[in-house]
Amino acid sequence: KQEVTQIPAALSVPEGENLVLNCSFTDSAIYNLQWFRQDPGKGLTSLLLIQSSQREQTSGRLNASLDKSSGRSTLYIAASQPGDSATYLCAVANNDMRFGAGTRLTVKP
Amino acid sequence: SAVISQKPSRDICQRGTSLTIQCQVDSQVTMMFWYRQQPGQSLTLIATANQGSEATYESGFVIDKFPISRPNLTFSTLTVSNMSPEDSSIYLCSVALGSVAGGLSEAFFGQGTRLTVV
Repeated sequence: KQEVTQIPAALSVPEGENLVLNCSFTDSAIYNLQWFRQDPGKGLTSLLLIQSSQREQTSGRLNASLDKSSGRSTLYIAASQPGDSATYLCAVANNDMRFGAGTRLTVKP
Repeated sequence: SAVISQKPSRDICQRGTSLTIQCQVDSQVTMMFWYRQQPGQSLTLIATANQGSEATYESGFVIDKFPISRPNLTFSTLTVSNMSPEDSSIYLCSVALGSVAGGLSEAFFGQGTRLTVV
């Protein structure tokens, strides 16, 4: 059974810092990996989707990488802003989708 | 992409009652899923809603407690039956298209239903 782990569980940084969130998974037989953002009490907003054949995807200040063979993905956030404060979830997909527990990010002004 | 409308957005229910949550998608999608997110936790897959047949439930979830309907490719409902305070959670509907290689393509989520059972 696929297990997804996210480190750290929580992170607090001052505004402007670059930061990295980590995601690892136990079964490398995935079709894609997706990073989501979740604001408190809300649904999930898709940030980046990396297909299994891809190494990375970029969107604005966000860059996600995927190393399928080692079961790892990172989400890099450049020049963090207070509006980036949220919980970030990674999920790996095969015939269904399995989620990590998330990293709760706080960016202080 | 897909736009998902989930209703209700929140509800407070008495224990022993049932609540039906609706999920409407703006386009036909292959895969629809229901998740539960308990307070402070990540998402747990309840079941895959199969169009025209019975849903496929994950370990720990049963049809009598969480009956699911999927009459067509754009709509599904999840009922939380005989509720107890332990059912207080956010319930989320998710959709994904099938990929060319099999498996899932990008997934999209509704805004969730925040359920409180008193």
